[in-house]
Amino acid sequence: EAGVVQSPRYKIIEKKQPVAFWCNPISGHNTLYWYLQNLGQGPELLIRYENEEAVDDSQLPKDRFSAERLKGVDSTLKIQPAELGDSAVYLCASSLGLAAGSYNEQFFGPGTRLTVL
Amino acid sequence: QKEVEQNSGPLSVPEGAIASLNCTYSDRGSQSFFWYRQYSGKSPELIMSIYSNGDKEDGRFTAQLNKASQYVSLLIRDSQPSDSATYLCAVNPRVGDKIIFGKGTRLHILP
Repeated sequence: EAGVVQSPRYKIIEKKQPVAFWCNPISGHNTLYWYLQNLGQGPELLIRYENEEAVDDSQLPKDRFSAERLKGVDSTLKIQPAELGDSAVYLCASSLGLAAGSYNEQFFGPGTRLTVL
Repeated sequence: QKEVEQNSGPLSVPEGAIASLNCTYSDRGSQSFFWYRQYSGKSPELIMSIYSNGDKEDGRFTAQLNKASQYVSLLIRDSQPSDSATYLCAVNPRVGDKIIFGKGTRLHILP
């Protein structure tokens, strides 16, 4: 079974430029998560989707960040314009979702390391 | 504010010994608990899930949960150099709620 796929793996951009990340979750996983992880910190949730619906985007900086999951499968996360402080690893994860109840194990993709110069 | 606390380490353990990693959480009603292993430059990998009080064993790993004390731990028996990594504790307070991650404990197994 294929795991969570993310691209690109690395991205270097100059500040004020736009950037987009793509994620393909594990087949059959209804819930998709975007996390941000800074060095020495645990992952921090940016947005969570149940199928096509964003059910938790309270931590997403909506002035510059946007996300979509149009068909309930793949998702993209966009930053426009990027700032120096956005340099971090962006992780995508997926899980079975509410159908799994408490047993909602999340599995992570390899992540995208973003460097903003 | 729901919190998950871990000692950042590094925790140094001789090869072959038992490594003990600890985690406390603030939400008494939390239902699901997870341990992730993260190698440097890699993404977190799920290694253990536990939902009921007591011990759960999987190979060299044992997860221990004590809901009354709001405490979850991970024991690694016969530690190997390949176990050197950061271990993240994660807690799901409620069904449908978001998982909260601790900052992780760095474990170093001494050859």
